[in-house]
Amino acid sequence: DAKTTQPPSMDCAEGRAANLPCNHSTISGNEYVYWYRQIHSQGPQYIIHGLKNNETNEMASLIITEDRKSSTLILPHATLRDTAVYYCIVRVRDNFNKFYFGSGTKLNVKP
Amino acid sequence: DVKVTQSSRYLVKRTGEKVFLECVQDMDHENMFWYRQDPGLGLRLIYFSYDVKMKEKGDIPEGYSVSREKKERFSLILESASTNQTSMYLCASSSGIYTEAFFGQGTRLTVV
Repeated sequence: DAKTTQPPSMDCAEGRAANLPCNHSTISGNEYVYWYRQIHSQGPQYIIHGLKNNETNEMASLIITEDRKSSTLILPHATLRDTAVYYCIVRVRDNFNKFYFGSGTKLNVKP
Repeated sequence: DVKVTQSSRYLVKRTGEKVFLECVQDMDHENMFWYRQDPGLGLRLIYFSYDVKMKEKGDIPEGYSVSREKKERFSLILESASTNQTSMYLCASSSGIYTEAFFGQGTRLTVV
């Protein structure tokens, strides 16, 4: 699976959009980008995933660059409850047992 | 919403004890997984199951076994707990090979 690089931490003001970047320059054609988050002492929560098109659901939007070497998770209106560690993962979709979460980005939403 | 429930949030066990961690999912998912999460190591797969009574070893199965007698329930067994098995244990389920996994809230196990 491709390695991902994320900033260790980010701050965001409550009510503003939070944009979390992820670099995955070695991603291959059949690898999907997944985003999970983990609130302290809880299990990871699935947010969104995509292959090459931008995706949106009720939680977030995922923007993948045309060359697929990076992506951005957007939380449109961050709340204090969005404070968590956000993990960007790339994995081959038929390799369902390989979820390496890495270190992630700690998002601090501030009032 | 998918619900994956782990039987305990916190457990403290003694070295050498046999430990059972239970996981139940309510969405009729075929696949279930057990991971452990340790600082700096991410999530590591212990065992997974793709059907009742079927199981496969993950990356770190040593010292663990599993049981899946019913589709909704997947148990992780520590045959003889050791201090290096102190960790956060996470159960997950998914509806197929090509879908995302949904996680339980985790069990923080301390072996003393």
